[in-house]
Amino acid sequence: DAGITQSPRHKVTETGTPVTLRCHQTENHRYMYWYRQDPGHGLRLIHYSYGVKDTDKGEVSDGYSVSRSKTEDFLLTLESATSSQTSVYFCAISETGQGAATNEKLFFGSGTQLSVL
Amino acid sequence: GQSLEQPSEVTAVEGAIVQINCTYQTSGFYGLSWYQQHDGGAPTFLSYNALDGLEETGRFSSFLSRSDSYGYLLLQELQMKDSASYFCAVRAVVQAGTALIFGKGTTLSVSS
Repeated sequence: DAGITQSPRHKVTETGTPVTLRCHQTENHRYMYWYRQDPGHGLRLIHYSYGVKDTDKGEVSDGYSVSRSKTEDFLLTLESATSSQTSVYFCAISETGQGAATNEKLFFGSGTQLSVL
Repeated sequence: GQSLEQPSEVTAVEGAIVQINCTYQTSGFYGLSWYQQHDGGAPTFLSYNALDGLEETGRFSSFLSRSDSYGYLLLQELQMKDSASYFCAVRAVVQAGTALIFGKGTTLSVSS
C-alpha cells in the first residue's frame, strides 16, 4: 500500500471555525490532490499540487486553501467552515501529472470524515 | 469545462458479465481511468487507457474509443466482492496544469 496518511480521520467542528486537514506521504511523489466526496457527486477536485509551493485550484476550490511547504505534506484549510463543507475528504498522490500510462495511477488516503455543525 | 457521464446504478448476479459505460467531454484528453471503491473505503486504481482499444487485467477489461469520447469497464465472472462503486476518470486540463476529474460513479450490486 502507498504510504499516505490523512489526519484527522474524523472531525466535528462548528460553523465559522477554521479547519486544517493534513495529508502526509512517504512515497516522494510529486503530485498531490485533495478531493471531496458527497453522495450523488462522486469525487470532486478541490486543489492540487505539482511540487513544493506549486498549487492550483480544482473544480470546487471556493472556501478552501492549500499549502505545500514540503514534498511529503499537503495541507487543506477550510478558512471558515460551513455546513456545505460537511463531506469526506480524500487526499491522493501520483508520481506524475501527465498521461504516462505507467504512472497514471492515483493512490488515495483513507479519507477524513468532516462534519460541520 | 469537462463532464463525464456514467450510469448511477447497475445490478447483476454472480457469474454474470456487466459493462459500465462512460462518455466524456473534456478540454484536452490524456487518457481514461477506472477506479473501484467499496463502501467506507478509499478509491483504488483498476485500469487506464491512453490509446484506443481493449486492455485486459484478469476478470476486468477496459475499452476506449477516443473518436467517440467513450469507454467502458467490463467485469466478467462477477463475484459478490465486486459489489462496489466504479468511477471513470479523465486527466484533463485544470487551470495551469492537469488533474484527474471523476465521474459521479456507478454503484454495482451483485446478488447470488
